[in-house]
Amino acid sequence: QITLQESGPTLVKPTQTLTLTCTFSGFSLKTSGEGVGWIRQPPGKALEWLALIYWDDDQHYSPSLKSRLTITKDTSKNQVVLTMTYMDPVDTATYYCAHTVTMIRGRVRYMDVWGKGTTVTVSS
Amino acid sequence: SYELTQPPSLSVSPGQTASITCSGDKLGEKYVSWYQQKPGQSPVVVIYQDTKRPSGIPERFSGSNSGNTATLTISGTQTVDEADYYCQTWDYTTVAFGGGTKLTVL
Repeated sequence: QITLQESGPTLVKPTQTLTLTCTFSGFSLKTSGEGVGWIRQPPGKALEWLALIYWDDDQHYSPSLKSRLTITKDTSKNQVVLTMTYMDPVDTATYYCAHTVTMIRGRVRYMDVWGKGTTVTVSS
Repeated sequence: SYELTQPPSLSVSPGQTASITCSGDKLGEKYVSWYQQKPGQSPVVVIYQDTKRPSGIPERFSGSNSGNTATLTISGTQTVDEADYYCQTWDYTTVAFGGGTKLTVL
């Protein structure tokens, strides 16, 4: 059974850097094909994909946020970390991490198991 | 970046068929997944690879994808199906989500 749990600060100040950790179980990022992604959702708004990392350290980022995001993995701890620089009040959102399934030579990629999410507020 | 467009809302009566559309340029050449999100909960995938249902998802959920439009169909809609629905695809190097459709069952 795959589970994921997000952790990190609930409040950050504008211009600060946000660091979120996704701790998972039920799979290993040492295993070929495995991936973990981050998605956020501002209050009352739609899902927005942020970043994705694979077992082989292949990384993908949202084009609109790429300059602010870094995704890394620690296979020994079963964790994926997302950092986002220069936080702004518009970044206030619930941040989810999710196990990402990849099939058909990479043409199918979807999130089959999601964490419960962590709410981050950006305010001075 | 690749854009997916969904109608903001849809209302159906219990027992009716709900069809939620998702449009994008040559979307039929990509694979689409659909997520259901109820208030205060994390999204749940209900359709992946255009037409496949994960285990545990009721048979009344089905999907199709052709041309520029993918469709999530809920047959015999129940009140428990009231939720936000999001389509999603992979565009070469990035994930794209639609803007979501709020399905009201009343």
